[in-house]
Amino acid sequence: LAKTTQPISMDSYEGQEVNITCSHNNIATNDYITWYQQFPSQGPRFIIQGYKTKVTNEVASLFIPADRKSSTLSLPRVSLSDTAVYYCLVGGMDSGYALNFGKGTSLLVTP
Amino acid sequence: DSGVTQTPKHLITATGQRVTLRCSPRSGDLSVYWYQQSLDQGLQFLIQYYNGEERAKGNILERFSAQQFPDLHSELNLSSLELGDSALYFCASSSLNRGTEAFFGQGTRLTVV
Repeated sequence: LAKTTQPISMDSYEGQEVNITCSHNNIATNDYITWYQQFPSQGPRFIIQGYKTKVTNEVASLFIPADRKSSTLSLPRVSLSDTAVYYCLVGGMDSGYALNFGKGTSLLVTP
Repeated sequence: DSGVTQTPKHLITATGQRVTLRCSPRSGDLSVYWYQQSLDQGLQFLIQYYNGEERAKGNILERFSAQQFPDLHSELNLSSLELGDSALYFCASSSLNRGTEAFFGQGTRLTVV
């Protein structure tokens, strides 16, 4: 299974754009890159998934370079309610769609 | 609402006892995953089922077992409980045509006293 590395923590002010980068050097050809958000005492919530290039939805964008060895989750104009842990996962058919969560990035948004 | 239902929400039991946690996946999802999350710890993958068959196993203790039934609901059985088993237990479900997009339940908080 591909291992992911992401910063342990990040701080931001309200209204700023936040970019969280994840490294996954051993990503397999068929692996997806997926990001989840988790608030304390709640189950993780799916944010965005991509395979290559750029994906955007109503809450975030995911940038994936051509070599796919890293990815960046971009959260535009964060608010206090975006304070949470963000997990980057890689996986797909070859790994039986395993969902292996690392330690995640703890994002703190302050006024 | 994720569509994944876990029961019970809270459970308090004594050491040495046995409990069963239940998970009903989203309609149409064939995959079920179980995770354990202790206080201030990450999500530890326990086990994954797909359409009734075990697909992957993580760091699941021998005292723990699980199964997925023909109606696709799943149960996680925890026996000979120890204080250290106190944690949040999450279930997630997914469908293979969604890649690694999964939906998590709200969890069962188990307290062993």
